[in-house]
Amino acid sequence: QVQLQESGPGLVKPSETLSLTCTVSGGSFNSYYWSWIRQPPGKGLEWIGYIYYSGSTNYNPSLKSRVTMSIDTSKNQFSLNLSSVTAADTAVYYCARESMLGNYFDYWGQGTLVTVSS
Amino acid sequence: QSALTQPASVSGSPGQSITISCTGTSSDVGGYNYVSWYQQHPGKARKLMIYEVSNRPSGVSDRFSGSKSGNTASLTISGLKAEDEADYYCTSYTSSSTVYVFGTGTKVSVL
Repeated sequence: QVQLQESGPGLVKPSETLSLTCTVSGGSFNSYYWSWIRQPPGKGLEWIGYIYYSGSTNYNPSLKSRVTMSIDTSKNQFSLNLSSVTAADTAVYYCARESMLGNYFDYWGQGTLVTVSS
Repeated sequence: QSALTQPASVSGSPGQSITISCTGTSSDVGGYNYVSWYQQHPGKARKLMIYEVSNRPSGVSDRFSGSKSGNTASLTISGLKAEDEADYYCTSYTSSSTVYVFGTGTKVSVL
């Protein structure tokens, strides 16, 4: 069974960089697109972007200037960096695997709450 | 990005059938057969229930079925069970640069 687990600080100060890692276990890491998705409290889900196992990326245009994703296939991990955070970036952050068929997510992590506050 | 519209809550008695709607636009739900549905119990990861409008992954009960008409997709749960009480979300591929658009979520209660 494929499992995804987000990890990282639960509290980040304004203007700093939010950094999260997703560790994948129980399945192949290669040949998939790996996404980050977030949900601010009381609001809807927002796709942040994805990274392919080869390292190519695609980001949500609204966040593109602040987002960097990376991947470490040797550790079955991929990461999210979001710079210059504000309170509006407070959200539950999820990692997810896009199905090999494409256009839907077949596995999700449980999510991790990141609060931006001084 | 505009979210897909779902009812906030739907309820039913054990054994009944319920339907959750997911309304979008011709740029997402209506334009592609890439609607998926997810179930989430509190504290648990989202679970894929339906993909590509009406396909069930292996291991998902056939009590769950999906359909689409125009810009609205639907998830039907038949023979409602207590274990079906959860939050349900729809997702669609979109032609916009955001790639995916998500539903607002529906809380299903089993009375």
